[in-house]
Amino acid sequence: SQTIHQWPATLVQPVGSPLSLECTVEGTSNPNLYWYRQAAGRGLQLLFYSIGIDQISSEVPQNLSASRPQDRQFILSSKKLLLSDSGFYLCAWSDNRSNLLAGELFFGEGSRLTVL
Amino acid sequence: AQSVTQLGSHVSVSEGALVLLRCNYSSSVPPYLFWYVQYPNQGLQLLLKYTSAATLVKGINGFEAEFKKSETSFHLTKPSAHMSDAAEYFCAVSGPWTTGRRALTFGSGTRLQVQP
Repeated sequence: SQTIHQWPATLVQPVGSPLSLECTVEGTSNPNLYWYRQAAGRGLQLLFYSIGIDQISSEVPQNLSASRPQDRQFILSSKKLLLSDSGFYLCAWSDNRSNLLAGELFFGEGSRLTVL
Repeated sequence: AQSVTQLGSHVSVSEGALVLLRCNYSSSVPPYLFWYVQYPNQGLQLLLKYTSAATLVKGINGFEAEFKKSETSFHLTKPSAHMSDAAEYFCAVSGPWTTGRRALTFGSGTRLQVQP
């Protein structure tokens, strides 16, 4: 069966410090991968999605970046965190064999980032 | 472009009462629609999905939703609420891959409270 792991679960960082959140998927190959952010009371905002290694689309201009160095690894990074980067970050994957419409997403447990 | 609107950011019901969470969608193509549930500090879990088959979709934990094209709605219902249903619920719509955007668009969420 497929599993998705996301870490760290909780992170407290000062403004201006770097960030690295990691996500790995097991039990499937060539998944579509996603990073969403959930700010308090604002639902889920898609940050990045990737349909393959080094194929990453950015949804919202910001000081965050994403990389996919391996097929089942997705990393969210920042060189200098802002207060507004605080939130709950969710990694997700979907089966790339879905038809013409985007398919069901499977989510990790999330990483709560607090920037002070 | 696809979008979903969830009416009511907070819904409170008594234990044993009907649960009704509202979702209206906008889509340029026949959509796939999803309902997810999120418990505190956890990722999202799929409740049910509509993929153009039966318009009445049954999901886990006794939830169901009905796709109504004429009303562009996909409301979530459960006949009798349990305390364990207290959580945040998200409606989501898929986008056609032909646009290059292979991701779900989520509503802003509805927090369900169940009173004893």
